[in-house]
Amino acid sequence: DSGVTQTPKHLITATGQRVTLRCSPRSGDLSVYWYQQSLDQGLQFLIQYYNGEERAKGNILERFSAQQFPDLHSELNLSSLELGDSALYFCASSASGAPGQPQHFGDGTRLSIL
Amino acid sequence: DQQVKQNSPSLSVQEGRISILNCDYTNSMFDYFLWYKKYPAEGPTFLISISSIKDKNEDGRFTVFLNKSAKHLSLHIVPSQPGDSAVYFCAAVGNSGNTPLVFGKGTRLSVIA
Repeated sequence: DSGVTQTPKHLITATGQRVTLRCSPRSGDLSVYWYQQSLDQGLQFLIQYYNGEERAKGNILERFSAQQFPDLHSELNLSSLELGDSALYFCASSASGAPGQPQHFGDGTRLSIL
Repeated sequence: DQQVKQNSPSLSVQEGRISILNCDYTNSMFDYFLWYKKYPAEGPTFLISISSIKDKNEDGRFTVFLNKSAKHLSLHIVPSQPGDSAVYFCAAVGNSGNTPLVFGKGTRLSVIA
């Protein structure tokens, strides 16, 4: 058990809809990361937050947004969903976000767009 | 443009033998390299890491070797056990606080009893 909790585990929705994925980091971790894993792909970095503020941004689409709340949980919002958004979305956390510090991953949310 | 490449999608090894998983990278600014293991329906689990100032790091049955001049690293598992069967991801990151982890596509290891 990594201590990182992601909800829901599975999400099925239709094109054009909007969904929210939630992540609770490990106790004491200040940094949260979001990744997308599509079929046969490695994990693609989307965005990082540290103590409530955005720290780094990857190839995150404009239709996607995220935030980290004062209690350090984070939400990833995906809107105007397209078939290609079907993927596994992982959240990870680390203590401070320092380079080389291991990130601890949740079990992911599987998003299926019909 | 893949900055971290794991060229073998899969690998089969007999129980008790050595498993060697390889990873190549292109960005000379990478300073830390990490290996993660992933079982089905679970998130990746951190396994072992190495910084660019070292060429070897060992933790029990797992050893990571780094060859900076060749931009190549490898993970050795010895002896391999059936429970090691999983997908292994290589990841790399630079020294700046704003650079993200860059992952390879993974190698599926099957340890056969």
